[in-house]
Amino acid sequence: DVKVTQSSRYLVKRTGEKVFLECVQDMDHENMFWYRQDPGLGLRLIYFSYDVKMKEKGDIPEGYSVSREKKERFSLILESASTNQTSMYLCASSFRQIYTDTQYFGPGTRLTVL
Amino acid sequence: AQTVTQSQPEMSVQEAETVTLSCTYDTSENNYYLFWYKQPPSRQMILVIRQEAYKQQNATENRFSVNFQKAAKSFSLKISDSQLGDTAMYFCASHRSNIGGGADGLTFGKGTHLIIQP
Repeated sequence: DVKVTQSSRYLVKRTGEKVFLECVQDMDHENMFWYRQDPGLGLRLIYFSYDVKMKEKGDIPEGYSVSREKKERFSLILESASTNQTSMYLCASSFRQIYTDTQYFGPGTRLTVL
Repeated sequence: AQTVTQSQPEMSVQEAETVTLSCTYDTSENNYYLFWYKQPPSRQMILVIRQEAYKQQNATENRFSVNFQKAAKSFSLKISDSQLGDTAMYFCASHRSNIGGGADGLTFGKGTHLIIQP
């Protein structure tokens, strides 16, 4: 079974803090994704990566950056957290073909920025 | 697909009934995949079923089946003999096409909250 893990289920941070959300997958997947989930908006793509050190912006990259130094790990970074970044963050991975392969999701991190 | 629309924010049915969740999408691609994901209250998003657009036969996974109408760009999910464990948010999704014509993540609908009543 594919396993995607995220470092925290719940996280509370202060405005202006630098925040790191970590995601690890154990199935040698090439593609990894970060989504943000908000009620009534569904999931929106923040960034994705199709290879180590490669990254592409999604729909809402502003205020976020990512890092992928190793194939299994994809980090989402909030350089200076703001209250409007309070949300559920979901990480996902897929094997190789972005168009066809199923994405597998982690359990999510509920981030609250005070 | 650039847009995926789920028009039912919430649905409630009795246990053992059949329920259909609707989804429409917009794409200029010739071949693409469509997905239904389920997100139970525990929050782990899992794949329910997927459909490849060039296959005419509707996908089926046990009690879950789809009604794929390519010309109408419709992709509904039917759950037969619904169970309490089917209570969840259901998201319809399709692959995105970015500005450069390549693929990146998924485009999701806003979700349907399905409640199965005992």
